[in-house]
Amino acid sequence: ETGVTQTPRHLVMGMTNKKSLKCEQHLGHNAMYWYKQSAKKPLELMFVYNFKEQTENNSVPSRFSPECPNSSHLFLHLHTLQPEDSALYLCASSQAVAGGHGWDIQYFGAGTRLSVL
Amino acid sequence: AQKITQTQPGMFVQEKEAVTLDCTYDTSDQSYGLFWYKQPSSGEMIFLIYQGSYDEQNATEGRYSLNFQKARKSANLVISASQLGDSAMYFCAMRESGGGADGLTFGKGTHLIIQP
Repeated sequence: ETGVTQTPRHLVMGMTNKKSLKCEQHLGHNAMYWYKQSAKKPLELMFVYNFKEQTENNSVPSRFSPECPNSSHLFLHLHTLQPEDSALYLCASSQAVAGGHGWDIQYFGAGTRLSVL
Repeated sequence: AQKITQTQPGMFVQEKEAVTLDCTYDTSDQSYGLFWYKQPSSGEMIFLIYQGSYDEQNATEGRYSLNFQKARKSANLVISASQLGDSAMYFCAMRESGGGADGLTFGKGTHLIIQP
């Protein structure tokens, strides 16, 4: 069992559907992240949450809406998606270091494989 | 311009041989961290090793070591005594400026296949 759990593992949705991806971390971390991994492209950062506050939105279209109700849970709400949004969506968590030169290690879940028809 | 460059899209290596996966990076920051992840076909990104820009010693974790050459801006991953289970995608990533929470910038990855 991993420390970061993502559900569902696979999701097929139509362009008019609304669905949500869920991520839960059991590591006691204070920061959570969403990444998108498309075929033949590097992982792209989507959102960063630090202590439940969104600290980064990497120019993500508004059809993706994140929610972080507490430091253990992160959601990605999806609506009116396009076929090009089909990808592997990865969640990660880390224990962010306050100030200085510290480096937190990001631990990832297994991802949700999303297909938009 | 790419911040992380991995020039080997794919590699075939005989079991038990050592493997070097290349990674070069581009940053003007003095403080940065470099990370390597492994992604098997199951999809999960598995953390392997990291190196801070101020670390003087090359990082090692079991069979993994990071050959950090700051002047060349390279951070190659070395896997000693490769095993069949090492077959996977390998990603180099960087984060600039320490502290707080921030995302990683990833390279395109290297697909490593270990042959018996």
